[in-house]
Amino acid sequence: GEDVEQSLFLSVREGDSSVINCTYTDSSSTYLYWYKQEPGAGLQLLTYIFSNMDMKQDQRLTVLLNKKDKHLSLRIADTQTGDSAIYFCAESPYSGAGSYQLTFGKGTKLSVIP
Amino acid sequence: EPEVTQTPSHQVTQMGQEVILRCVPISNHLYFYWYRQILGQKVEFLVSFYNNEISEKSEIFDDQFSVERPDGSNFTLKIRSTKLEDSAMYFCASSESTGRNNEQFFGPGTRLTVL
Repeated sequence: GEDVEQSLFLSVREGDSSVINCTYTDSSSTYLYWYKQEPGAGLQLLTYIFSNMDMKQDQRLTVLLNKKDKHLSLRIADTQTGDSAIYFCAESPYSGAGSYQLTFGKGTKLSVIP
Repeated sequence: EPEVTQTPSHQVTQMGQEVILRCVPISNHLYFYWYRQILGQKVEFLVSFYNNEISEKSEIFDDQFSVERPDGSNFTLKIRSTKLEDSAMYFCASSESTGRNNEQFFGPGTRLTVL
């Protein structure tokens, strides 16, 4: 079955880079996602990567994908206090039923120290 | 910017009672989802819904659960007889399509507490 694992906590100083790691199990996942959840808010899609890519950069965000090891990472450059949130890694294995349900990790709580 | 809304933000109920959690998906979206997150655990898929019927459901979505799109805007999750273990945050999501890059837009969630 599908499983997504991530570390639960990460603490960084403002201005440093943050790297959040994730491992997944389902090799059929065509897209992998990073969602952000701020306190009291829903899950907001931050970025995604197609499985035939190794890297995707979007402003301060860099996503690295190692498909062989099924390892995904999210790097946030110049981390700001506003980046403090929970970050969820998710995969969407195709179930064969026509839909792409998301399978999430437990989320990594990023705390940014001023 | 269009967004998914959910009501109520917090629902407290007694074990055995029925609850209905409400969601208003983004207006031009066709695919709707419910997920839940028990405190400290993963966000888990419950059910997806398209064209007025369930597309897919997980093992969690047993006979106690049902979904409905009663009108053109609301999407509801009903739990017939709540159990203590139903206490969780319930997230509604919608997407424009179900293609492989189906960005699912999530609501802020309803925290359900079963006493």
